[in-house]
Amino acid sequence: GAGVSQSPRYKVAKRGQDVALRCDPISGHVSLFWYQQALGQGPEFLTYFQNEAQLDKSGLPSDRFFAERPEGSVSTLKIQRTQQEDSAVYLCASSPRLGGELFFGEGSRLTVL
Amino acid sequence: GIQVEQSPPDLILQEGANSTLRCNFSDSVNNLQWFHQNPWGQLINLFYIPSGTKQNGRLSATTVATERYSLLYISSSQTTDSGVYFCAVERGSNYQLIWGAGTKLIIKP
Repeated sequence: GAGVSQSPRYKVAKRGQDVALRCDPISGHVSLFWYQQALGQGPEFLTYFQNEAQLDKSGLPSDRFFAERPEGSVSTLKIQRTQQEDSAVYLCASSPRLGGELFFGEGSRLTVL
Repeated sequence: GIQVEQSPPDLILQEGANSTLRCNFSDSVNNLQWFHQNPWGQLINLFYIPSGTKQNGRLSATTVATERYSLLYISSSQTTDSGVYFCAVERGSNYQLIWGAGTKLIIKP
């Protein structure tokens, strides 16, 4: 596609619900990153993929967070048993290569009640 | 870990003014990127600039890697330039970007 596409743009979940956030990267981009951004702060790294391989997941805040990219294109970030502190904007970015320019999607804003 | 500091934290200017935003980093980096986050939250990549100078229209950036800083210049500001400008650096082989806290720019008509 022309840009990185994320869905849903907005998600309201009750505490304890599971959520899934989708990222469709720019066609041909092999690297895909997930970041979390709290209000008024810069993005914080969660995890990244090179094709289908998850090379670093050190930023995932707990084992309730899980990301996958099974065919090396679309990625899904799943959060199980959501907590209020999970409320944030989740940003996906893709790059034609590791260490290259990052292109971000519009983000998925998650609010946990 | 590496520290990334941006200044000023806030900047309010009239339309047409010029501005300089600064990013200091505490250690050598593999690359440095400048981003603009608009009021709707969209992050736009402005420059990929590990060293040297680049220009794109009214915006230009310079990174002096040996002195560990980068500057973003905005000339003839427009209201659409409003938002938060982030500097982010990558170091080592883990490909994570380390972000500054941003400069919030408001351009008044």
